[in-house]
Amino acid sequence: QKEVEQNSGPLSVPEGAIASLNCTYSDRVSQSFFWYRQYSGKSPELIMSIYSNGDKEDGRFTAQLNKASQYVSLLIRDSQPSDSATYLCAVESGGSYIPTFGRGTSLIVHP
Amino acid sequence: EAGVTQFPSHSVIEKGQTVTLRCDPISGHDNLYWYRRVMGKEIKFLLHFVKESKQDESGMPNNRFLAERTGGTYSTLKVQPAELEDSGVYFCASSQDFMTDTQYFGPGTRLTVL
Repeated sequence: QKEVEQNSGPLSVPEGAIASLNCTYSDRVSQSFFWYRQYSGKSPELIMSIYSNGDKEDGRFTAQLNKASQYVSLLIRDSQPSDSATYLCAVESGGSYIPTFGRGTSLIVHP
Repeated sequence: EAGVTQFPSHSVIEKGQTVTLRCDPISGHDNLYWYRRVMGKEIKFLLHFVKESKQDESGMPNNRFLAERTGGTYSTLKVQPAELEDSGVYFCASSQDFMTDTQYFGPGTRLTVL
């Protein structure tokens, strides 16, 4: 049974701070890793994907992957109230191409 | 470009009744996926269509669920008869290519079975 674990939160950070969201996964052969953002009542939206160890930056977002530790994280710099949402971690194992989702972490950015 | 749309947005039915959910993918997307999120749990894969063919239905919970995609455009997911444990949010997603493209999700249909 492939599992993706996330702390449900809520994670509360002040505006302008760095929000750090973490995710661990159980399947060692996982190859593709994704972060989705979901506003309440809306559809999940892909914001970051990462495939190799290290960091990947896109604007205020940085995804970090450590396959040896089976750990992927998302950093949001200069957090804004509009970043308040649930962040879903998803992992694809080799050959599957169907993501396994975590339960999501609720992020609250307060002014 | 219109996104993935789903209808209805909410459905409340009684146990034993039938419900049909509809998904319209992004135009031109051959791949269509159904997912479900039960309260407090993670989003789980149900099945994947490539055009009108079922490519993978390994996530379908039981034979009370029937998915169709006639003509390779919109898809329906029928639950018959509905049980209490079928309550949740049903998401549809679509992508142009299976292996390399982003899946675009619809807003979901919230199903409540009483």
